[in-house]
Amino acid sequence: QKEVEQDPGPLSVPEGAIVSLNCTYSNSAFQYFMWYRQYSRKGPELLMYTYSSGNKEDGRFTAQVDKSSKYISLFIRDSQPSDSATYLCAIIKAAGNKLTFGGGTRVLVKP
Amino acid sequence: NAGVTQTPKFQVLKTGQSMTLQCAQDMNHNSMYWYRQDPGMGLRLIYYSASEGTTDKGEVPNGYNVSRLNKREFSLRLESAAPSQTSVYFCASSEQAGATPETQYFGPGTRLLVL
Repeated sequence: QKEVEQDPGPLSVPEGAIVSLNCTYSNSAFQYFMWYRQYSRKGPELLMYTYSSGNKEDGRFTAQVDKSSKYISLFIRDSQPSDSATYLCAIIKAAGNKLTFGGGTRVLVKP
Repeated sequence: NAGVTQTPKFQVLKTGQSMTLQCAQDMNHNSMYWYRQDPGMGLRLIYYSASEGTTDKGEVPNGYNVSRLNKREFSLRLESAAPSQTSVYFCASSEQAGATPETQYFGPGTRLLVL
């Protein structure tokens, strides 16, 4: 069993819709939770990070963590075609430790 | 300020050939990493260097070697390439191992095909 599971998609939504992405993890020692966005043929770039249960907002993006269920989510409001990319969750056990990535979910926002 | 740069962008090798993937960063970061990305597998850590002069194995180090040439440069070497090493390779850097959280900045990747 992978330490971090993520539905590969693809997830296709119309422009303006809410995109909902999820990851589950198995190790309760994980403390820091991140979302990376990766455009086709590019390197991943950090979108958001959080270390506590609850919600964190940044513009159209909301990251949600439920440590009791070992479940993390990313919501994208008012989705745009430019949001079409692969979204990777990444988790680390403690500061300075190595990132463990999910497999990524491909998102396509249609105009 | 170019961030993290990687060379080459694309390479085709025959089984058994060797090659070195180059990575450089201009952000004065202490830590550097090499990942491989395969379909559905996400990114898997091959090797990392927490600081100049140190290197450590990651999740999938077999078949690879690394050199932290100086603070800026971190190279990945395939001594005898195998088809299973066909992948996209990403280099990343972060300010320091131990920063909270450890934000890593990625290069554009090297696509490697081993025939």
